[in-house]
Amino acid sequence: ETGVTQTPRHLVMGMTNKKSLKCEQHLGHNAMYWYKQSAKKPLELMFVYNFKEQTENNSVPSRFSPECPNSSHLFLHLHTLQPEDSALYLCASSQGSRETQYFGPGTRLLVL
Amino acid sequence: AQSVSQHNHHVILSEAASLELGCNYSYGGTVNLFWYVQYPGQHLQLLLKYFSGDPLVKGIKGFEAEFIKSKFSFNLRKPSVQWSDTAEYFCAVNGAGTALIFGKGTTLSVSS
Repeated sequence: ETGVTQTPRHLVMGMTNKKSLKCEQHLGHNAMYWYKQSAKKPLELMFVYNFKEQTENNSVPSRFSPECPNSSHLFLHLHTLQPEDSALYLCASSQGSRETQYFGPGTRLLVL
Repeated sequence: AQSVSQHNHHVILSEAASLELGCNYSYGGTVNLFWYVQYPGQHLQLLLKYFSGDPLVKGIKGFEAEFIKSKFSFNLRKPSVQWSDTAEYFCAVNGAGTALIFGKGTTLSVSS
């Protein structure tokens, strides 16, 4: 079971499309994260939010745009993506920035 | 820069064999250390963690890990693996004021 949910679970989009990934945590945590998981590469941290404020942007291209309207919800807006952006996008949350992170099931994204 | 190295990319064992997965990190200060597991088709979940205190930590499903500060290591062990332990295992580290950094992962395949 997980306290972090993500929708959609699978997404196929063309390079000119605009789509959004949604993450919701039901754990009362203050920090939320977006990660990218590609084959044969370590999980790559993309963004960190603490108390709705972005505290880290790990040199992510501007075609990825995060939004955190409150401590429970996190979005990743996607536009004009490239095929190499195809990956599993994971959301996580934690009580504090150094505490255990709890992960959602991920969104499997394919960019054509 | 902080980094995490997992020595084995793919480990293949028979049931009841003993397991040790290596993890080394590079960070000179105080660290929090984690092992996460991803079973086929499931989300990342915490196996065990070390923040402070006894360097030998016990996690779920009979796993344990030992923090050896002088070797910058946090190896994962299990005395007798089961078929259900087939999964991908990730070591992760964060230091004070730094984001969580993951290793590339080790795929464990257990044959019955």
